[in-house]
Amino acid sequence: EAQVTQNPRYLITVTGKKLTVTCSQNMNHEYMSWYRQDPGLGLRQIYYSMNVEVTDKGDVPEGYKVSRKEKRNFPLILESPSPNQTSLYFCASSLGQSSYNEQFFGPGTRLTVL
Amino acid sequence: AQSVAQPEDQVNVAEGNPLTVKCTYSVSGNPYLFWYVQYPNRGLQFLLKYITGDNLVKGSYGFEAEFNKSQTSFHLKKPSALVSDSALYFCAVREFSGTYKYIFGTGTRLKVLA
Repeated sequence: EAQVTQNPRYLITVTGKKLTVTCSQNMNHEYMSWYRQDPGLGLRQIYYSMNVEVTDKGDVPEGYKVSRKEKRNFPLILESPSPNQTSLYFCASSLGQSSYNEQFFGPGTRLTVL
Repeated sequence: AQSVAQPEDQVNVAEGNPLTVKCTYSVSGNPYLFWYVQYPNRGLQFLLKYITGDNLVKGSYGFEAEFNKSQTSFHLKKPSALVSDSALYFCAVREFSGTYKYIFGTGTRLKVLA
């Protein structure tokens, strides 16, 4: 089944404790992206990747890191999480780099930082 | 800079009545426009997109959207609403060239009343 998977689905952590949220897709998609969803703010793009070893900032990259060492994986790293990073996070992928390709979304990761 | 506005936080409609969810956008070049739907505790699902050509775009589950360049709008419509259409709807825009960012609106919650 074609899908985007994220792990963990739920995470409660404390301020300053490094964490990684994994994202993997099995559709051989070139474009991958991370978003956070907050009430009243919709989805905001954190980082995106056009292909392996090619990443760029979205609109809210502060406090986050990403890497794209393999085509299928795009982990989101929070080196020192803070409470304002409590949010619902989505990973997404799309075929190719063309702007008209729709995205496929993972099920989401709900992160709480205490 | 790109932007998307969804002026209504919530839209209520009776089952069987037509529905409209509004979206306006601002881009410096030609836009690619998308609608996504989010059901409770799920990731976003693609509904439809406008790339070029016919201004009326048909998508999944009987939804359609009309691209209006002069009004910079891309409203989502359905002739006859179902209770199962109740969900959170997001409009998104991507520029034709230059940036590979996605910009999402803040979302509109659609409630279809039986």
